[in-house]
Amino acid sequence: SQTIHQWPATLVQPVGSPLSLECTVEGTSNPNLYWYRQAAGRGLQLLFYSVGIGQISSEVPQNLSASRPQDRQFILSSKKLLLSDSGFYLCAWSPWTQYFGPGTRLLVL
Amino acid sequence: AQTVTQSQPEMSVQEAETVTLSCTYDTSESDYYLFWYKQPPSRQMILVIRQEAYKQQNATENRFSVNFQKAAKSFSLKISDSQLGDAAMYFCAYRGGVQGAQKLVFGQGTRLTINP
Repeated sequence: SQTIHQWPATLVQPVGSPLSLECTVEGTSNPNLYWYRQAAGRGLQLLFYSVGIGQISSEVPQNLSASRPQDRQFILSSKKLLLSDSGFYLCAWSPWTQYFGPGTRLLVL
Repeated sequence: AQTVTQSQPEMSVQEAETVTLSCTYDTSESDYYLFWYKQPPSRQMILVIRQEAYKQQNATENRFSVNFQKAAKSFSLKISDSQLGDAAMYFCAYRGGVQGAQKLVFGQGTRLTINP
């Protein structure tokens, strides 16, 4: 069966520091991959998606970037975090239905 | 662009009772998919149920069922015999039927409280 992992689970970072969140999927090949952000009590905002290795599409202009160095690996990065980057980050994969990872809580201070 | 609207920010129900969460959407596509996701306090998004637009029969999953009205662009979720574990945020989502990115459009969510 397929599983999706995200790490770290929780992260507290100072403003201006770099960021790297990782997402990996097991048990499938060539999935579509997605990064979402959710502010407290709000809906999900799609940040990036990828339909293949090296193929990244950005939905929202910001200081975040994404990469897909391997088929089942999706990385969310930032060179310098802002306070507004705080939130809950969810990774998802899909064949036809999107399945979500456990998420990463990011607090930027 | 497609939009999804959940008009009930909060709902509450007595344990063992039935509750219906509302969702409407706007699209010009004829082929699409609709989903309900549950987000408990752990915040992981869990798929509850899905509906293919080309299917006339409403989807059911145990105590969860939908009322899909394609002409009215309505997709409500009914939870029967509510249990304390059903307490969560519920999100309605839309996905177009065209292959490719298969992006989801989410509503703003409904917070469901179960009263013992």
